[in-house]
Parts: sequence; C-alpha cells; structure tokens
Amino acid sequence: DTAVSQTPKYLVTQMGNDKSIKCEQNLGHDTMYWYKQDSKKFLKIMFSYNNKELIINETVPNRFSPKSPDKAHLNLHINSLELGDSAVYFCASSPASRGPLSTDTQYFGPGTRLTVL
Amino acid sequence: LAKTTQPISMDSYEGQEVNITCSHNNIATNDYITWYQQFPSQGPRFIIQGYKTKVTNEVASLFIPADRKSSTLSLPRVSLSDTAVYYCLVGGPNQGGKLIFGQGTELSVKP
Repeated sequence: DTAVSQTPKYLVTQMGNDKSIKCEQNLGHDTMYWYKQDSKKFLKIMFSYNNKELIINETVPNRFSPKSPDKAHLNLHINSLELGDSAVYFCASSPASRGPLSTDTQYFGPGTRLTVL
Repeated sequence: LAKTTQPISMDSYEGQEVNITCSHNNIATNDYITWYQQFPSQGPRFIIQGYKTKVTNEVASLFIPADRKSSTLSLPRVSLSDTAVYYCLVGGPNQGGKLIFGQGTELSVKP
C-alpha cells in the first residue's frame, strides 16, 4: 500500500498548457503539502492544507492553484505553464498532531517530474 | 528562521560509520532538529528528530551538544544503499509547519 501517491509520475507538456497533478494519502493525516524541487535539488514548500483549508501559501504565482476536495486529496493545477515551472513536484502529508502549524514528520510521495518544452 | 549549514558532499566505504555535522547557530529555544534522507528519484524520508543530547533509532543516532548550535547524524556501518542526500532541518511552532530544506549533504558510499 502506497502511503502518499501522486499521478502522473512524469509529465511533459508545451508552454502555455494547463495541467494537473493529483495527490492522495491513505494515512489518515490532516495536513497535506506541495513542494517544488528545482534542478539544483532545493526543496521549497509551496502550499499546505489542513482539513481542506489552506494554511500555508508561499510566494507562488497565482497560475498555481491547489485544490483539496477532501482531507485525503490535494491536487495541484497549473495554468499557462512556463519553462521555469520544470521541476519535480512532491506531495507530502503529516498528522500535525501538535496542531496544523506543527513541524511533525512529513511523509512524501514519489514525486512528479514536470518538463515544460 | 534558523539556517543550516552542511557539507555539500561526503564519501565513505561500506561498513564504515559516517558522521554528518550540521551547523545551526541561530536555533531557537523551541526548535527541533530533524534529518531527512532522499534517494534519487524519490521523495525525502524522515530519519530522526531530536531536541537535545542523544537520540537513537534503528536507522541512525543524532548527537546534539548542550548549546544546540550544531548536530551530528551518525550512520553506523553504511552500505551502498545508504547513498543518498541527507538534509538537516531546524524548525518549531514559530515556523508554522514549514520544513525549510537546505542544500543537503550528498553521501556516496563505495564498495
């Protein structure tokens, strides 16, 4: 059983297109995250949701819109893709047992490698 | 936010003990120290977390001196499968649930 799963694993698309990445966790966690890892391997948080409510929104272009239909899913939709969006996107979840803003252990998905041509 | 500094890379041989030190001079009183491991083409995986002194689990040990301005991740008897990037993170409630990843240490274990 995969704890945190993402689809697709690879995504190759043209500039200007709109695409979505899906994430699901079966750990029963309340909090989910999206991270971006660039070519230099730096991991940066983009968004965090707690029980379907947005709690962290870093400085991310508004072309990126997370959507959480329920607490087990956090999808990432990207409009008007640009070359600089090429990266690996990781979804993660945590129990946030000490509250939605705690730094409890986070469980990461396998990543989605997005390539914008 | 506390910033961490780690060596960019380290080399080791199978069977050796590997110690990776992380500096975090600006650590706050309520910050924890956490280490994650990332294999190529995979997401980071939690290894160990501590606040002070020593913490040990089945994978590693974490040594934290009294001033907490640094910490050392110790991997006993590494194998080829321990080749990965190791990230040291410092954070607590005042960081709002954000994990701030630095550049990490790329550990290469050779036969």
